Amino acid sequence: EAGVAQSPRYKIIEKRQSVAFWCNPISGHATLYWYQQILGQGPKLLIQFQNNGVVDDSQLPKDRFSAERLKGVDSTLKIQPAKLEDSAVYLCASSWGRTHNEQFFGPGTRLTVL
Amino acid sequence: AQTVTQSQPEMSVQEAETVTLSCTYDTSESDYYLFWYKQPPSRQMILVIRQEAYKQQNATENRFSVNFQKAAKSFSLKISDSQLGDAAMYFCAYRPQQGGSEKLVFGKGMKLTVNP
Repeated sequence: EAGVAQSPRYKIIEKRQSVAFWCNPISGHATLYWYQQILGQGPKLLIQFQNNGVVDDSQLPKDRFSAERLKGVDSTLKIQPAKLEDSAVYLCASSWGRTHNEQFFGPGTRLTVL
Repeated sequence: AQTVTQSQPEMSVQEAETVTLSCTYDTSESDYYLFWYKQPPSRQMILVIRQEAYKQQNATENRFSVNFQKAAKSFSLKISDSQLGDAAMYFCAYRPQQGGSEKLVFGKGMKLTVNP
């Protein structure tokens, strides 16, 4: 079974530029999560999708971050414009459903904002 | 709000020895899940073990076991017969069982070094 795929693995941008990350969950997984992991901290949920609907985006900085999962499969996370404090690893995870199901994580994208 | 605390930022253990990683959490919920995740330098989070709060029996997965103390809100991970491949960041995480988001709330992590 293929795991959660993410791209790119690394990205370096200047502040105020835009960036987008892509995630392809495990086939059949209805729930998709984006986490932000700042260096030295544990991951923090940014947004959770159930199919193509948003379940929780309470910690997403909506003035600069956006995410979509149009067909209930792949997802993109965008930052526009980026700030220095957005430097982090962005992890995508997926699970079969919402209750007592293991979340499987992708390898993450390391973003550096200069 | 739920919080997870890992007070030891780093630990080391000799190969083949046993090590215990500590974790405490705070919640007003009675039903929830607790997890230990491993994150090697490749950055991919890997589930090590999970515990349902309603179960009194401590979870065990091969060389990994937990000591779950619900009243004390403590959830420690014991790694027996430590191997070089166990070296990684370890994160304790909490998730409510019902209602709303199923987001994982993570601690800050602990770096485990295994010495040959």
